[in-house]
Amino acid sequence: QLQLQESGPGLVKPSETLSLTCTVSGGSIRNNNYFWTWVRQPPGKGLEWIGSISYSGNTYYSPSLESRVTISIDTSKNHFSLKVFSVTAADTALYYCARRVRGGMVASGTWFDPWGQGSLVTVSS
Amino acid sequence: DIRVTQSPSSLSASVGDRVTITCRASQSIGNYLNWYQQKPGKAPNLLIYAASSLQTGVPSRFTGSGSGTDFTLTISSLRPEDFATYYCQQSYISPLTFGGGTKVEIK
Repeated sequence: QLQLQESGPGLVKPSETLSLTCTVSGGSIRNNNYFWTWVRQPPGKGLEWIGSISYSGNTYYSPSLESRVTISIDTSKNHFSLKVFSVTAADTALYYCARRVRGGMVASGTWFDPWGQGSLVTVSS
Repeated sequence: DIRVTQSPSSLSASVGDRVTITCRASQSIGNYLNWYQQKPGKAPNLLIYAASSLQTGVPSRFTGSGSGTDFTLTISSLRPEDFATYYCQQSYISPLTFGGGTKVEIK
């Protein structure tokens, strides 16, 4: 069964860079049917898609964050990573990694399944 | 961006009740609509994909319907473990967007 696990610092200072890694276990990250994705959730609020990456390295970002975000992938380590630059308190959130599944011939669209347990990142001096 | 609006934002219901949550997209999205359940302190869990397809392992009391701009998630008979927050999400066009959530509470 595929599992995802986020890791990284829980506290980041304003103006610095938030860095998280998502390690995938129970399956290979090398699969054309999936995009590897980051979603965040500010405390007590809703979900926001940050971006996705294919195993070949093609990236797709939310326009609202694109100027400050980089997602990368390391297939040799079966993990992918997120960097958010120049963070502010507004970037304080629970950060989830997830697999984005292509419906392909089976169904329309894409969906997120499974998800990691989440990593709380607080931006504070 | 496609706005996805859920209603109600919260509701109170009893075990055994039939519950319906609505999701409306700001433009037609075909059936590119998914539903998730999130319990406190946990990650979201996929319930329904492509508007009406039940994810493996999800109880059959959950059903999704709709297409175009209007969608519904129905829980036919509410169980204690169903008290949670539910989110819809469109995958028709980037950026992928979520509804604001519907919190289902115990009456």
